[in-house]
Amino acid sequence: LAKTTQPISMDSYEGQEVNITCSHNNIATNDYITWYQQFPSQGPRFIIQGYKTKVTNEVASLFIPADRKSSTLSLPRVSLSDTAVYYCLVGGDPQTGANNLFFGTGTRLTVIP
Amino acid sequence: DTGVSQDPRHKITKRGQNVTFRCDPISEHNRLYWYRQTLGQGPEFLTYFQNEAQLEKSRLLSDRFSAERPKGSFSTLEIQRTEQGDSAMYLCASSSTILTSGVGADTQYFGPGTRLTVL
Repeated sequence: LAKTTQPISMDSYEGQEVNITCSHNNIATNDYITWYQQFPSQGPRFIIQGYKTKVTNEVASLFIPADRKSSTLSLPRVSLSDTAVYYCLVGGDPQTGANNLFFGTGTRLTVIP
Repeated sequence: DTGVSQDPRHKITKRGQNVTFRCDPISEHNRLYWYRQTLGQGPEFLTYFQNEAQLEKSRLLSDRFSAERPKGSFSTLEIQRTEQGDSAMYLCASSSTILTSGVGADTQYFGPGTRLTVL
């Protein structure tokens, strides 16, 4: 079971870059790494997904080292609206075992004006 | 709105009662997931469907919980003889094995959830 470990909370000032790291020492060969954002009383929202090296989209970047035992979500120039809980999810195709989908406790990011 | 919808958004019930929640996934999505989330925790996987087939359930899932997806579209989650420990947010998510690359993990799209309070 590829469990994940993230910092419980982080604070950042508006306009700064924020990096949130997730540890997943037992990641399996077929597992991907997906990050979600969740606001209070809402369902999680997909941010980015990757398997190795670096992935970038319009809202974030995801860095995955060669050993894949950790990953870092990078949010450029955060704003107050980025205050949320961020989850790292490690898992592969659910047909190989949906019970391996593990969200963990997430990182509560607070953006300060 | 073409996102995942869930009904009801809130449910208050007394211990021992049965409750049923509904999830309508994104229309072209063939996979559907149910999760449970308690305060301060991440979503916990309960079960998932591919089309109408329930392919996997959490090993920790009580037999009081049952889910269906009769026509491969909407799904229902029923909890029988509710207990106070069942109080949580119940989330539904859907994904597609056709619209994505079909490789690796699903990109799941979540609904707003149903908040259950058992008194």
